[in-house]
Amino acid sequence: KNQVEQSPQSLIILEGKNCTLQCNYTVSPFSNLRWYKQDTGRGPVSLTIMTFSENTKSNGRYTATLDADTKQSSLHITASQLSDSASYICVVSPGNNRLAFGKGNQVVVIP
Amino acid sequence: KAGVTQTPRYLIKTRGQQVTLSCSPISGHRSVSWYQQTPGQGLQFLFEYFSETQRNKGNFPGRFSGRQFSNSRSEMNVSTLELGDSALYLCASSLSPGTGNTIYFGEGSWLTVV
Repeated sequence: KNQVEQSPQSLIILEGKNCTLQCNYTVSPFSNLRWYKQDTGRGPVSLTIMTFSENTKSNGRYTATLDADTKQSSLHITASQLSDSASYICVVSPGNNRLAFGKGNQVVVIP
Repeated sequence: KAGVTQTPRYLIKTRGQQVTLSCSPISGHRSVSWYQQTPGQGLQFLFEYFSETQRNKGNFPGRFSGRQFSNSRSEMNVSTLELGDSALYLCASSLSPGTGNTIYFGEGSWLTVV
């Protein structure tokens, strides 16, 4: 059973528009949550990492939010660019060094 | 500062053969973990090494093995390859196994089994 669920599985957005990706988890206990961006054929690159006490963290046009009470996180992409086309992976750490991975949100930005 | 380096980047093997993949972590990083990534399953944890010792192992058959050397470089080996082993194999490194440390991934090794 996958403890990290991401939605939508895939989406297509117009260049310049915003979008929001969702990550729901059942992992417990909770240590931190990370968002990674993975370009096709490349390794994942860290975007943000948030601990229990952090609600929001930004990295340029990427803003991640965390609600540890409802076990939900979102990644908001502002003013999307063609280079944002990638898979975005939510990773939750339960604190015992075994990370739980979501299957990713596949984002395609079209001109 | 060089990132995580994985070799080879691409390889094709036939069923029944064995393969060895190599990973050089970021300088100073002593923790190395391996993952298998397939389109349908996402990232699946294989194993984690720290100071030449395997600390964690995922749910993969014994055909998958690994090791870490004293310089923190790591290798993973897959014996008796099956078609289902075709995947992107990713190596990641961090300073230590602590959950607060950022994990840095390499570009991966694309394995195709025919």
